[in-house]
This record gives sequence, structure tokens and C-alpha cells, in this order.
Amino acid sequence: EDKVVQSPLSLVVHEGDTVTLNCSYEVTNFRSLLWYKQEKKAPTFLFMLTSSGIEKKSGRLSSILDKKELFSILNITATQTGDSAVYLCAVGVNSGGSNYKLTFGKGTLLTVNP
Amino acid sequence: DGGITQSPKYLFRKEGQNVTLSCEQNLNHDAMYWYRQDPGQGLRLIYYSQIVNDFQKGDIAEGYSVSREKKESFPLTVTSAQKNPTAFYLCASSIGTEQFFGPGTRLTVL
Repeated sequence: EDKVVQSPLSLVVHEGDTVTLNCSYEVTNFRSLLWYKQEKKAPTFLFMLTSSGIEKKSGRLSSILDKKELFSILNITATQTGDSAVYLCAVGVNSGGSNYKLTFGKGTLLTVNP
Repeated sequence: DGGITQSPKYLFRKEGQNVTLSCEQNLNHDAMYWYRQDPGQGLRLIYYSQIVNDFQKGDIAEGYSVSREKKESFPLTVTSAQKNPTAFYLCASSIGTEQFFGPGTRLTVL
């Protein structure tokens, strides 16, 4: 059974702090690892990682994948109250033939206080 | 405007009734997915479809059924066999490995 584990499950910080969110996985037929941000409703896409050691960056957010250790981190620097959300990690796998599916972790609830 | 639409936004049903949730996309994506999200949980895969007239069970398919008669549409029926149907249901579509999500339907069974 494919497993994706995120830690911590929740985190409270002050504006300006830097946070690191963790995602470890055990899956068969790995294809990609994705990070999403979920505020109230639908998750919105942040990053997709397929290769080890290559950092992806978007503004204050960055992410990196380690395929040897089966691990990814999402960093947010200089946090703002607008970063408050649930951050979801998902791993994409081939599930037979041309089928592809995502397995999600439970998410990390980040609260940024002013 | 391209995107994924789900309707209705909120749905209330009595226990024992079947209910169908709508999901439509005009992104010309081949693959579509249904997820369920419970409070404090991530998304769990119910059913998915890579092409028209074909679909696969996800991790929690029991008590649900789907059809994929058109590329644009992937409706989900929550049957009376589903023991805990109250949840937030999300539909997604993809053309590669990145999935795009609809706004969701919150189903409450009374």
C-alpha cells in the first residue's frame, strides 16, 4: 500500500519566521511528488518535483526532493499571514498500464500569526 | 473561461438516499479523479478515469459509483451503501502528472 506521511501535522509561527514542512513516502512506481496549498476549498498547485536534488523556487517558497531517502521538504521564508493554509504533499505513481494516480498525505496546517 | 466546475456547492440529503455529484471540465483533459476529504485528513481517492468509458477504483471506492460517457464529464454517485457519506468531495482533472481541482461539493447526510 502506498504511503505518504507529512510532518508536523500543525504548526503555529509568527510573521517573518521561516518554516520547513516535511513529506516522506513509500510507494511503488514513483513518478512525481507534488505540493499543493489549500486555504478554504480547492487545493492550488505549488510545485511538482521529479528529479533529486534540484530545488524549485517560487518567490518565498522552495522545495526539493531526495529520491534516495524518499523525502521532500517545502520551505517558506519570511512567512506572512496569507501563508496560513493546509499544505498537502502528494506522490504520483503509475498504477497499471497508462494509469496514473496521486496519493496524498494528511497535510500540515500552518498558522501564521501577526 | 477554462476550468473545472462542480455542482452543487452544498448538498443535503436524507440517510438512505442516493445522490449524484456533478463534475464538468472544459480543459480537454483526458484524466479525471474524485477525492473525498474529511476534517483533518488529506484527500483520499475514490475513483479515477484515464479515458472515456473506462475507470478504476481508488482506495475507498466502496459505496460509490461513477460513469465516464463523455470526456468532459465524470459524475459521482454516493449510494446508500456508503456508511459515512458526509464529507467534502473534490473532483480533479489532468493531462499529465499535475492535477487541477474543482471548487468542491460539501455533502451533508442528515
